[in-house]
Amino acid sequence: GQQLNQSPQSMFIQEGEDVSMNCTSSSIFNTWLWYKQDPGEGPVLLIALYKAGELTSNGRLTAQFGITRKDSFLNISASIPSDVGIYFCAGGSYGGSQGNLIFGKGTKLSVKP
Amino acid sequence: EAQVTQNPRYLITVTGKKLTVTCSQNMNHEYMSWYRQDPGLGLRQIYYSMNVEVTDKGDVPEGYKVSRKEKRNFPLILESPSPNQTSLYFCASRLAGLYNEQFFGPGTRLTVL
Repeated sequence: GQQLNQSPQSMFIQEGEDVSMNCTSSSIFNTWLWYKQDPGEGPVLLIALYKAGELTSNGRLTAQFGITRKDSFLNISASIPSDVGIYFCAGGSYGGSQGNLIFGKGTKLSVKP
Repeated sequence: EAQVTQNPRYLITVTGKKLTVTCSQNMNHEYMSWYRQDPGLGLRQIYYSMNVEVTDKGDVPEGYKVSRKEKRNFPLILESPSPNQTSLYFCASRLAGLYNEQFFGPGTRLTVL
């Protein structure tokens, strides 16, 4: 089945540093989504990408849909302590009549004040 | 407020004792699904439902049942729980079609002794 490789698995950074994480796949996806999960909560959508090559920002977050449609990256600029959490990528592809979302295994971000 | 609710949030039970985790959404979403989250394995889909009375297996359905008698509710049933079903469970919902945001519930932490 389809799989997503998300890296890195974890990151320990200093407050103020920029962060970069990515997801790759051997399969083509029609949409890429990035979620953040705070401790003890469910994942919340950060950015949605719908077109190959698309670059989208949401505050300090920037994500891109790879031109090959097999990868995506998420950048966080000037990290702050509340950026701590697990970040998931999800690739969407057409399957059946509703489509499927495949999730990466997550990148755990720790920010040292 | 648009939301997905799950109950209970925390549950400790014993092997073989049937349990049900409820999930409800107030957004009139057609698509609902259940995931389990385990360390190092990310989010894995258990079952999903495209609409009332339409359910299908996800990636890890063994040991679980679901039903979708009403559009807003999608309970997860463990007929005979086992310790390997100890996990964090999330319910999610979205509108039909691929290009729609998926909303997650707050999670249910289940421990099976």
